[in-house]
Amino acid sequence: EIVLTQSPGTLSLSPGERATLSCRASQSVSTSTLAWYQQKPGQAPRLLIYATSFRATGIPARFIGSGAGTDFTLTISRLEREDFAVYYCQRYGSSPLTFGQGTKVEVK
Amino acid sequence: QVQLVESGGGVVHPGGSLRLSCAASGFTFSTYGMDWVRQAPGKGLEWVAFIRYDGTNKYYADSVKGRFTVSRDNSKNTLYLQMSSLREEDTAIYFCARDAYSALYYFDYWGLGTLVTVSS
Repeated sequence: EIVLTQSPGTLSLSPGERATLSCRASQSVSTSTLAWYQQKPGQAPRLLIYATSFRATGIPARFIGSGAGTDFTLTISRLEREDFAVYYCQRYGSSPLTFGQGTKVEVK
Repeated sequence: QVQLVESGGGVVHPGGSLRLSCAASGFTFSTYGMDWVRQAPGKGLEWVAFIRYDGTNKYYADSVKGRFTVSRDNSKNTLYLQMSSLREEDTAIYFCARDAYSALYYFDYWGLGTLVTVSS
């Protein structure tokens, strides 16, 4: 099983700032099998990024995914109020699918 | 538009059983793989089970293997999760989710979830 470790656990930032979220895999992951989701309280997760760097339909350009091998990053270039949420990375493509434990982006 | 609506959650005693349903609409259900994902209170996401578009292939997380069974009825556009031998650690919100393109893929649509509480 591929374990995904996200850091930091919590990121305290102000609107307009840049957010950098990390997702590290326990073994090399194909770039075509790494996704990111956003979840707000009381809501279902929402797909942001798939295949490391491709934005899902309707996702703003300020969400940027990158990485390769075991290190992947989600960057939010300028935080908007609606971006404060919990973010999860996911490895897909074979069983078991795995998620990171999440990074909470909170208002400073 | 794509909609996934879970139902069947509730309170059950340890060792008990429960069947969850997920009603799908707005897309051709019979052509998509589907999954169950759960989230314990205040915790992260955990993938539970996958079923192929035609029901011929299924995968489970080790934590539920042998206790949970995923199935689907394509004539009713409905996904199911039969849960038995429930434990307190199965307490969670259970989401159904659609695989975007292929088996065991990323999830492009999610339901709002149904809460399962296992407690004595």
